[in-house]
Amino acid sequence: GNSVTQMEGPVTLSEEAFLTINCTYTATGYPSLFWYVQYPGEGLQLLLKATKADDKGSNKGFEATYRKETTSFHLEKGSVQVSDSAVYFCALSEWGAQKLVFGQGTRLTINP
Amino acid sequence: DVKVTQSSRYLVKRTGEKVFLECVQDMDHENMFWYRQDPGLGLRLIYFSYDVKMKEKGDIPEGYSVSREKKERFSLILESASTNQTSMYLCASSPYPPLQGSNYGYTFGSGTRLTVV
Repeated sequence: GNSVTQMEGPVTLSEEAFLTINCTYTATGYPSLFWYVQYPGEGLQLLLKATKADDKGSNKGFEATYRKETTSFHLEKGSVQVSDSAVYFCALSEWGAQKLVFGQGTRLTINP
Repeated sequence: DVKVTQSSRYLVKRTGEKVFLECVQDMDHENMFWYRQDPGLGLRLIYFSYDVKMKEKGDIPEGYSVSREKKERFSLILESASTNQTSMYLCASSPYPPLQGSNYGYTFGSGTRLTVV
C-alpha cells in the first residue's frame, strides 16, 4: 500500500537557519505529493504541491522537488522565521484515489 | 470565504457515552473525510464519503460509524466512547473529480479535540 515517512521531530532551529524536513514515500503508481502546514490551534493548510517527477513546488519561501528516483519530496527553506513554527505534514495521493495518505508530521520550533 | 466547519472545538465526554462530531462544508463538495490526528502517528483516515448516503471505511474504522444524510454534512459517531479515542479529529472535503493540477481541492476544518474520561 501507499505510505509516507517523515523525519523524526521535533526540530528546533534558530531564526534565519536553513531548514530541511525529509520525506520519502512508497506508492504503486504515480502519486501527487503535498506538504501541509498546521499552525497552533488551526486545521491543515496546503503549503505546496508537485504532481509529477522533477516538478518543484514552492510557496512562502519553502520548496520541495519531486524526486522519483529516490522517492523523496524533502521540504527546504533557506532562512526560517519564528512565524514558521508549526507542524508540517508530507502527504501523497494517487490520481483518482481521492484520498490523502499522510506522514507522521514534524513539529518545527523556531527560536528568535 | 469557503470553509469546513466543525461544530465543537473542544469536547469532554465520559467513557461509554455516544458521541457525535459534526462537520459542515459550504463548497458543494462530493467527498468528505474524517481523520484522526495523534502525535507521532500523523493523520489516519477513519471514514470517507463520496456521495450522500455512501461511505467507505478508512484505515482505522473500528469503534466509529458515520452518517451523511445531506451533501454538506458528515457526522462521525463514536458508539461507545473509550479513553483510547481521546484525540484530535479533523474533517475535510474535496470535489470530484479532483481539480486538475491542484491540491485536489482539499479543505480542512479546524479540528475537534475530544477527551474521553
